Amino acid sequence: SQQGEEDPQALSIQEGENATMNCSYKTSINNLQWYRQNSGRGLVHLILIRSNEREKHSGRLRVTLDTSKKSSSLLITASRAADTASYFCATDAGGTSYGKLTFGQGTILTVHP
Amino acid sequence: SAVISQKPSRDICQRGTSLTIQCQVDSQVTMMFWYRQQPGQSLTLIATANQGSEATYESGFVIDKFPISRPNLTFSTLTVSNMSPEDSSIYLCSVEVWESSYNEQFFGPGTRLTVL
Repeated sequence: SQQGEEDPQALSIQEGENATMNCSYKTSINNLQWYRQNSGRGLVHLILIRSNEREKHSGRLRVTLDTSKKSSSLLITASRAADTASYFCATDAGGTSYGKLTFGQGTILTVHP
Repeated sequence: SAVISQKPSRDICQRGTSLTIQCQVDSQVTMMFWYRQQPGQSLTLIATANQGSEATYESGFVIDKFPISRPNLTFSTLTVSNMSPEDSSIYLCSVEVWESSYNEQFFGPGTRLTVL
């Protein structure tokens, strides 16, 4: 079964608004990573949060992790048209699966200028 | 960080043929991974390629269909064999890099494959 489930599947907002995407997973993890993909091309690494961390910031990005609920959220503040992309969460379970990422289904974000 | 290139960036192939995709990294890395992204879908791990040993395949992927080479610490190839239209996907390689005290994965730009 799919490890990561993301919601919403698609999100459409106006420039300047905040965008929040959620990710849930099923098994215990070593870390969770968020990626951006533009137009079906390569993935850009956005941020990594370790299992013992609860919140992390990077520029306009804020990620939270709740291991008790097996969920994470990505908040993009003051969105820009250039933020339009697909966003994926990916979990690294560690142990024998170390380094192997399991991806969520992704959220398609559209930011209207 | 790591800079990763892939060749070709895209290709259109005929059913029954094979295509070899190359992945080059600008630094030596221990672990390299190959992923597939089917149209409109998320990424699925195909296999882990470690230098000096056989690749490790995930459930649903076999060596005969996706042979992998890892001749050194900066290069790997993935071959998609005996292709069918169902193999039309984006194929991405990734590498794991240790940054400070934790690992990050960096992805190549992908190879967009269309099988007719």
